[in-house]
Amino acid sequence: AQTVTQSQPEMSVQEAETVTLSCTYDTSENNYYLFWYKQPPSRQMILVIRQEAYKQQNATENRFSVNFQKAAKSFSLKISDSQLGDTAMYFCAFTGANSKLTFGKGITLSVRP
Amino acid sequence: DVKVTQSSRYLVKRTGEKVFLECVQDMDHENMFWYRQDPGLGLRLIYFSYDVKMKEKGDIPEGYSVSREKKERFSLILESASTNQTSMYLCASRSAGGFYEQYFGPGTRLTVT
Repeated sequence: AQTVTQSQPEMSVQEAETVTLSCTYDTSENNYYLFWYKQPPSRQMILVIRQEAYKQQNATENRFSVNFQKAAKSFSLKISDSQLGDTAMYFCAFTGANSKLTFGKGITLSVRP
Repeated sequence: DVKVTQSSRYLVKRTGEKVFLECVQDMDHENMFWYRQDPGLGLRLIYFSYDVKMKEKGDIPEGYSVSREKKERFSLILESASTNQTSMYLCASRSAGGFYEQYFGPGTRLTVT
């Protein structure tokens, strides 16, 4: 069974600074996808970024980028130039051959003005 | 844009009542999912459906059932609501092909008293 671990329950960052959210996972599969989802206080879950395991290049979406270390089974999210609107809960998620998403417990990120 | 809607944002029911949570998606997605979200536990899969009239149990199906009579609609049913089913319920949908990312509805906060 796959597991996703987010060991930090919450973090805080100053506006305009950079923050990294950690995620590790465990799987025996070779082909899979990893995601970071964001859930703002309004509760609508939205996709931030995805990474295909077969791609060596780290995914980037504007201020969001990942550090994907396949051998270490690590998938961290870096948020550059943090904005107040980045305040949210962030979930790391994994999907493999069974097509089901397995989520970590989430991390609450607060951006301070 | 993909739109997933849920019938209620907030719902209060009494113990023993039969509860229906409705989810509708407008992107012709084959796959639909029901999760419950609890603090410190992340998202846990209750049931999912690969296609019309098809359903499969997730990780925590006890006390729940589902119905998918039309492709765009996926219902979660609590046959006899109990207080331990007080939670946030999230619906999601996904195309059978593509990058496996799921699109979420706004959630229903269910309180069982």
